[in-house]
Amino acid sequence: AQKVTQAQTEISVVEKEDVTLDCVYETRDTTYYLFWYKQPPSGELVFLIRRNSFDEQNEISGRYSWNFQKSTSSFNFTITASQVVDSAVYFCALSDAGTYKYIFGTGTRLKVLA
Amino acid sequence: GAGVSQSPSNKVTEKGKDVELRCDPISGHTALYWYRQRLGQGLEFLIYFQGNSAPDKSGLPSDRFSAERTGESVSTLTIQRTQQEDSAVYLCASSHIDRTYEQYFGPGTRLTVT
Repeated sequence: AQKVTQAQTEISVVEKEDVTLDCVYETRDTTYYLFWYKQPPSGELVFLIRRNSFDEQNEISGRYSWNFQKSTSSFNFTITASQVVDSAVYFCALSDAGTYKYIFGTGTRLKVLA
Repeated sequence: GAGVSQSPSNKVTEKGKDVELRCDPISGHTALYWYRQRLGQGLEFLIYFQGNSAPDKSGLPSDRFSAERTGESVSTLTIQRTQQEDSAVYLCASSHIDRTYEQYFGPGTRLTVT
């Protein structure tokens, strides 16, 4: 069965601190996709990244970076030098290749304090 | 606009009444999805439309829920005889046929059943 676990319900940091959001997934498939979405207070989910299971290279985009490790079934997300605008709920999701169904984690609420 | 739009943004209804939620996908996106997000939870898949193919209704929680889509345009999600447990944010997403793994979400409709 597929499952995505985001054990951190809520994290608070002070502006400029680095923060890592954890995501652990379960799937029996060898080909799958992992995603991170941001949900700001406005409610609209914003796509951040997609990673397929064959690409374990870490990715960096500005202050965002992602660490994909198949050995531990984790796809963690780090925000460097956090800003107040980063405050949102962040969702990790899993989709097996060939399907369109996303399995979402329960989300991590990040609060960045000025 | 260029994004997925949903209406209404908020809906308050009395228990037992029927409600209709609307989704306008991104132009050119043949795939359309409905999700439900209960308070503090991740997203639950409800239904998927792809072009003129039969929809995947496997996520609909009961026969009180139904959805329609005309061609590759607007979709409506109908909930009959609403119950308090139907209170949630209903999110719509769309994707291009060649990139069903990359879904773009609308802002959602917040449904409150009193």
